[in-house]
Amino acid sequence: EPEVTQTPSHQVTQMGQEVILRCVPISNHLYFYWYRQILGQKVEFLVSFYNNEISEKSEIFDDQFSVERPDGSNFTLKIRSTKLEDSAMYFCASSEVNIYTEAFFGQGTRLTVV
Amino acid sequence: AQSVTQPDIHITVSEGASLELRCNYSYGATPYLFWYVQSPGQGLQLLLKYFSGDTLVQGIKGFEAEFKRSQSSFNLRKPSVHWSDAAEYFCAVGAAQGAQKLVFGQGTRLTINP
Repeated sequence: EPEVTQTPSHQVTQMGQEVILRCVPISNHLYFYWYRQILGQKVEFLVSFYNNEISEKSEIFDDQFSVERPDGSNFTLKIRSTKLEDSAMYFCASSEVNIYTEAFFGQGTRLTVV
Repeated sequence: AQSVTQPDIHITVSEGASLELRCNYSYGATPYLFWYVQSPGQGLQLLLKYFSGDTLVQGIKGFEAEFKRSQSSFNLRKPSVHWSDAAEYFCAVGAAQGAQKLVFGQGTRLTINP
């Protein structure tokens, strides 16, 4: 069964450092997303990406965040200068363009900023 | 703006007992509704979804949910829970156009007593 794959599963970084979280969406999907879940809180939408551009982003997704599809298979989330409050589980998801379908989520990357 | 409320943060039931997890949504148009389950250390797995048609939808693992427009609810049910059902359950709503961005509830943690 096809699945969304995220690497690494856990990343620890120092405050102020740049991190890149990686995702391999399901191969025939064309919509890609990043969500995050701060410990004990809701899963929150960060950004959606379609046709090589951001289609929607939340207030959380400020200038320190960026997304990229560097090749035909990977989808990345970059945080330029991490803050303590960026510590969270980050989920990548993908979906088909057909609106009558659901998003498939990866297992998440736990980011810890120290 | 869309919102989802899951009134119960934590529910404990005995194995073999019936289960109902509550979900109320707020959305101006026809919502697309989802239930996801998150086992410890795992990603989000789709249990079931409602887009249109029959308001009682069947999902995986013996779960079902009923869409009640008059009550703005989409409660999840299972007639007899198993110890393996212990997990966090998230209700989510998507926009009718594209269903691309999900708004999640805060989740309900389910504990199963032997």
